[in-house]
Amino acid sequence: EAQVTQNPRYLITVTGKKLTVTCSQNMNHEYMSWYRQDPGLGLRQIYYSMNVEVTDKGDVPEGYKVSRKEKRNFPLILESPSPNQTSLYFCASSWDSGPNQPQHFGDGTRLSIL
Amino acid sequence: SQQGEEDPQALSIQEGENATMNCSYKTSINNLQWYRQNSGRGLVHLILIRSNEREKHSGRLRVTLDTSKKSSSLLITASRAADTASYFCATVNSGGYQKVTFGIGTKLQVIP
Repeated sequence: EAQVTQNPRYLITVTGKKLTVTCSQNMNHEYMSWYRQDPGLGLRQIYYSMNVEVTDKGDVPEGYKVSRKEKRNFPLILESPSPNQTSLYFCASSWDSGPNQPQHFGDGTRLSIL
Repeated sequence: SQQGEEDPQALSIQEGENATMNCSYKTSINNLQWYRQNSGRGLVHLILIRSNEREKHSGRLRVTLDTSKKSSSLLITASRAADTASYFCATVNSGGYQKVTFGIGTKLQVIP
């Protein structure tokens, strides 16, 4: 089944403790992206990757890191999480970075930073 | 401010009625997409309309695009309880092909 898989689905942690949210897709998609969703703000793009070893900042990259060492995986790293990073996070992928490609989303990761 | 802003932010209708949601945006776009999000789940792509198209249909969905007014509408006909979800418009800017900007969404409730 074609899917985007995020782990963990839920995480409660404390300020400053490094964490990684994994994202994996099995559709051989070139383009992958991370979003955060907050009430009243919709989805905002954190980072995106157009292909292996190619990443770039979205609208809200501060406090986050990503890497794209292989095509299927695009982990989101919070080196020193803070409470303002409490949010619902989504990973998405599409066939390529062309403008007419719909994105496929994972089911989300709910992070709570205390 | 949001590139895509949906209106209304919440909508409650009876099963069988039509639901209309609107989206306004500010910059030139390559295409506009509508997504649906069930509670606690990821977004699912519904339909894409290109900037040179005015109307598109997919099953019970009808999307219109007016680039002169920088607005789009999503019509769901003969709504069902299973249509209860949040609906988002997303714009892809012309010249920025990898840049997708989402609105804050319309929360639709269909009452059986």
